[in-house]
Parts: sequence; structure tokens; C-alpha cells
Amino acid sequence: AQSVTQLDSQVPVFEEAPVELRCNYSSSVSVYLFWYVQYPNQGLQLLLKYLSGSTLVKGINGFEAEFNKSQTSFHLRKPSVHISDTAEYFCAVSGGSNYKLTFGKGTLLTVNP
Amino acid sequence: EAGVVQSPRYKIIEKKQPVAFWCNPISGHNTLYWYLQNLGQGPELLIRYENEEAVDDSQLPKDRFSAERLKGVDSTLKIQPAELGDSAVYLCASSQGVANTGELFFGEGSRLTVL
Repeated sequence: AQSVTQLDSQVPVFEEAPVELRCNYSSSVSVYLFWYVQYPNQGLQLLLKYLSGSTLVKGINGFEAEFNKSQTSFHLRKPSVHISDTAEYFCAVSGGSNYKLTFGKGTLLTVNP
Repeated sequence: EAGVVQSPRYKIIEKKQPVAFWCNPISGHNTLYWYLQNLGQGPELLIRYENEEAVDDSQLPKDRFSAERLKGVDSTLKIQPAELGDSAVYLCASSQGVANTGELFFGEGSRLTVL
């Protein structure tokens, strides 16, 4: 079985400040890890993914995440956020033979002027 | 290229009424998913199709929910009868390939309100 824990349900920050959204996972098999973003009243959109190779992955809109196997974490970071980054962010994990994607409960990032 | 299309975007019904949601995946994507998203929660898989075959429907409440993907393209999710607790957003997603690596493309969702 696999699971995802997003440690913060809400993260308020000021514009141009750095941000880190935390994600921990558990799985009995090798995993693929993802961050999806959901803007208000829209579907989810892939932000970035880790499949293999370099543990630091870069995604769209200036976001990046680092896979840490020993800490079973995949935290999302951005050095300077914009108002337009306000959205819900979901961490997800897949692995095993059926590649089922399991989502965390989400972190609401609110960027204030 | 068109994305995943879902309809209706919003639906309000009284409890015990039936409701149906439609999804048209991205052209060429043979894997289709229906997810349930409750308020303040992440999406939860209801059913996954590989072409016409439902390969994972373990989370689908089969007493009132049904789904079909007859020609391996578009799909319909039905609830009959609807209950108050079914109020949620129903997301459809698609991906390319049988053994996907979790890169899903989502529609905008169908928001259901049961009164």
C-alpha cells in the first residue's frame, strides 16, 4: 500500500517570498512522485515529476522539488512566488504493478501582496 | 490539441434522483480515470479503464454508481439514486499507454450538489 502526507493544509506567504510545500510518502515499492496544481474551478495540472535519475527535478512556473529517499520526502519549492501561484497543490505517488496514483489531501498556497 | 472535456460542469439535483457525467479524453489516450474529489481533499480513484476494460473499479460503490466506456473512447459515470453525501467534484482524467507513469491529464470536473 502507498500513502502521501502533506504536512501543511494551508501556507500563506507574501509575494516574492520563498516557499516550501512539504510532502512525505510511504510505499513498499519503488515510487514515482508528482506534484499537481489546481487553480480555482479548474482541473489538476502536472507541475513536475520524479521518475528516476537526478533527485532534483524542475517543473513549470519556476517550481522545483527534491526527492529524498532516506527521508521519504518530495518537498516542493519556489524561490520567489507570485500572486498567480495562489492555488491548491497536490503531492501524489504511484508505484507497483498497477501504477495507481495516490494523492495527498492538498496544500492551499495563498500568496498575498 | 483539445484537452479532456467533461460535462456538465455543474449539476444540482434532489436526493434520490439519477445523474450522469460524460467525459471525452484526449485523442489517443487509451487509459481513462474517474476520480472523486471531496471538498478539502485530494482526488480519490473511482475507476480506471484500459480501452473498454475496467481494470480497477475496487473503489467504485457499485450499489449506486456505474460507469461505462463502450467504444474505448468517451465514458459516462452514473449515480442512481444520488445521496446527500455524493456532493463532490467528479474528475475525469486520461493518460497515454497501458502502463502509465502517473502523468495524468485532467478535465475541469463536474461539480455535483445533491439537495
